[in-house]
Amino acid sequence: NAGVTQTPKFQVLKTGQSMTLQCAQDMNHNSMYWYRQDPGMGLRLIYYSASEGTTDKGEVPNGYNVSRLNKREFSLRLESAAPSQTSVYFCASSEEGADYEKLFFGSGTQLSVL
Amino acid sequence: GESVGLHLPTLSVQEGDNSIINCAYSNSASDYFIWYKQESGKGPQFIIDIRSNMDKRQGQRVTVLLNKTVKHLSLQIAATQPGDSAVYFCAENGPNTGNQFYFGTGTSLTVIP
Repeated sequence: NAGVTQTPKFQVLKTGQSMTLQCAQDMNHNSMYWYRQDPGMGLRLIYYSASEGTTDKGEVPNGYNVSRLNKREFSLRLESAAPSQTSVYFCASSEEGADYEKLFFGSGTQLSVL
Repeated sequence: GESVGLHLPTLSVQEGDNSIINCAYSNSASDYFIWYKQESGKGPQFIIDIRSNMDKRQGQRVTVLLNKTVKHLSLQIAATQPGDSAVYFCAENGPNTGNQFYFGTGTSLTVIP
């Protein structure tokens, strides 16, 4: 059981380049998320998808787009990368019960924009 | 917006001692709280959660305490081990945040052998 898998693990971009971060989960979870993690800022939600076919903005959506390709996959796209998007990106999916919600995170993508 | 903060950014403890990591939250409407552990180079991992209708919840070697009066959350780790060295985050969720969890900035715990 792989859990949440993200690719790539590392990426260096030049300002203005585009790229897509891939994420897949094999736990049959409905909800998926993209977070960014910056020093001293904690994890901030970029976008989330409560179910296949739906996406919603989080706290910091500007400069990003997402696609919920199917129940397993949720991708994050940077159309024109900026140095401010240098960060570590985490994909997550959630297991939801009657009184709990656990996030399961991937191992992250370290992105540098020069 | 929400704000979740930690009192101490770093904490060092001797192996075998108990650790206490604190967290303050600002939204009195938040009703669900989670502690996550993040080891170097990995994504956060769920440790323990607590709902606002509880004051205390225990897991294996960990206890979470919730004081709603002062909007304070703490994580206690008993008999701290070197493998507990990591960054610990608290996160809050509530009826007015939808699917959004708001995370604190994290406390780095170092266990001294």
